[in-house]
Amino acid sequence: GAGVSQSPRYKVAKRGQDVALRCDPISGHVSLFWYQQALGQGPEFLTYFQNEAQLDKSGLPSDRFFAERPEGSVSTLKIQRTQQEDSAVYLCASSRLGGGRNEQFFGPGTRLTVL
Amino acid sequence: AQSVTQLGSHVSVSEGALVLLRCNYSSSVPPYLFWYVQYPNQGLQLLLKYTSAATLVKGINGFEAEFKKSETSFHLTKPSAHMSDAAEYFCAVSDHTGGFKTIFGAGTRLFVKA
Repeated sequence: GAGVSQSPRYKVAKRGQDVALRCDPISGHVSLFWYQQALGQGPEFLTYFQNEAQLDKSGLPSDRFFAERPEGSVSTLKIQRTQQEDSAVYLCASSRLGGGRNEQFFGPGTRLTVL
Repeated sequence: AQSVTQLGSHVSVSEGALVLLRCNYSSSVPPYLFWYVQYPNQGLQLLLKYTSAATLVKGINGFEAEFKKSETSFHLTKPSAHMSDAAEYFCAVSDHTGGFKTIFGAGTRLFVKA
């Protein structure tokens, strides 16, 4: 594809609902990152995949957050029992090579609103 | 632990004036440093990056940044602002000790006045 795509673009959930956010990275990109961006803040790292391996999940804020990339391409970020503080824009980024020193290509984000 | 501080959440310049956006970082090892830009209703895109080669890095759209280890700074500059430069700018740092994390600053919104 031409770039990183994310779906849905907007998601409204009632508190306590589970949500799943999808990321389609650029084809062939090894690395995939998830970030959470609160209003007026910079992106905050959540987790990192190198191919299908989740090498760093130190930024996931609680065990309600879970991410997977089973075949090394598409990734899903799942949030269970959503809380109001989960409201944010969730960004996905991919890069061609492994590690953190390469250019990341960002998707447009999914804006999650928890009521 | 890595961290990034961007001084000034908002910067306003006149068209044609110098743009200076400040970024200071904290890292225990030589870092990789990045500037990303986010135009309205668009995703973040890379402006430039420093990965231990030349300390003066040139990026797209006439932007450049200088890595100053003694000052732990990586300020972004452009000699002459254009209306199309109005956007949010993020400084970011990553290094080996932080795993694979990239740490972003809070961002600086640049306004360009006609």
